[in-house]
Amino acid sequence: EAQVTQNPRYLITVTGKKLTVTCSQNMNHEYMSWYRQDPGLGLRQIYYSMNVEVTDKGDVPEGYKVSRKEKRNFPLILESPSPNQTSLYFCASRLGSNEQFFGPGTRLTVL
Amino acid sequence: GESVGLHLPTLSVQEGDNSIINCAYSNSASDYFIWYKQESGKGPQFIIDIRSNMDKRQGQRVTVLLNKTVKHLSLQIAATQPGDSAVYFCAETDNYGQNFVFGPGTRLSVLP
Repeated sequence: EAQVTQNPRYLITVTGKKLTVTCSQNMNHEYMSWYRQDPGLGLRQIYYSMNVEVTDKGDVPEGYKVSRKEKRNFPLILESPSPNQTSLYFCASRLGSNEQFFGPGTRLTVL
Repeated sequence: GESVGLHLPTLSVQEGDNSIINCAYSNSASDYFIWYKQESGKGPQFIIDIRSNMDKRQGQRVTVLLNKTVKHLSLQIAATQPGDSAVYFCAETDNYGQNFVFGPGTRLSVLP
């Protein structure tokens, strides 16, 4: 089944404790992206990647890192999480200029 | 499920009626527009898209209209059903398809 998977789905952590949210797609898509979703603000793009070893900042990259060492995986790294990074995170992928497929979301709470 | 927006604009329609959801976009250079549906606890799901060289595109029960003059996008849903209840987002991107910008969303409630 073609899909985008994220792990973990739910995470509660404390300020400053490094964490990684994994994202994997099995559709051989070149483009992958991370978004955060907050009440009243909709989806905002954090980082995107056009292909392996090619990443670029979206609209809200501060406090986040990403890597794209292989086509299927695009982890989101929070080196020192802060409470303002409490949010719902979505990973997405697409092939060329076609529609994006979204993962199920990761609910992160930073205390 | 997760709350995707506590203060979203809400559109309430009777089951069987047609729904029209509107979206204003900001970037006149945007070339590709997409409508997504998000149900509670799930990620956004693609509904329909349109490129800037078109002004109308139809799918199954859905139609997207694009007015580039006033930078306006609309999604029409025919014969709205209870399963259409969700939050709907428009998104825009430029010709390179790198940076997607999403609208704030509209919550559609279908009344029995």
